[in-house]
Amino acid sequence: SAVISQKPSRDICQRGTSLTIQCQVDSQVTMMFWYRQQPGQSLTLIATANQGSEATYESGFVIDKFPISRPNLTFSTLTVSNMSPEDSSIYLCSTPELGHGYTFGSGTRLTVV
Amino acid sequence: AQSVTQPDIHITVSEGASLELRCNYSYGATPYLFWYVQSPGQGLQLLLKYFSGDTLVQGIKGFEAEFKRSQSSFNLRKPSVHWSDAAEYFCAVGATDKLIFGTGTRLQVFP
Repeated sequence: SAVISQKPSRDICQRGTSLTIQCQVDSQVTMMFWYRQQPGQSLTLIATANQGSEATYESGFVIDKFPISRPNLTFSTLTVSNMSPEDSSIYLCSTPELGHGYTFGSGTRLTVV
Repeated sequence: AQSVTQPDIHITVSEGASLELRCNYSYGATPYLFWYVQSPGQGLQLLLKYFSGDTLVQGIKGFEAEFKRSQSSFNLRKPSVHWSDAAEYFCAVGATDKLIFGTGTRLQVFP
């Protein structure tokens, strides 16, 4: 199955700044998903990123706050913009694999101070 | 709308005891169902999945789950829990390519 390298693994950021999270897949994949896991909570889908098209955002998430890039079939980035302490979460990328389910990156633990 | 319910927020068992974690889903078509485990500070690990066929599926670490369409359930079981099983467990349903997660069950294991 595919392997996803996600970085950074963790970061502490000042409020008002932005952080870009990267996910690199070792094979070409059509779809990539970005999730947020707030402290003590489950995973919530932020958006779906397809190569060559605009990302599709779930209710409650907007492009200005979470811009996503998908320049090719092996790479995607999620930016958390103008951060506030409420953005402190684990962010994960994922891709579906036919017959295998979903593979996840190791996550980015973000703390906003 | 698709949804996943894990009724038990927190379960505590003794090491060696049996375990069952409950999961109910709401989905209009035949679902793809998954159980993931997340240890403290770690990423998500797939325990097992159900796509079709035999409704009793075996996973890693001695876990199994049974798909019951009539009850819209996909409960996770293990006959004898080990201390290392202490973690957060998430049930999820694959819905039109998206993966929708339940709220999770935190498992605590006492020696």
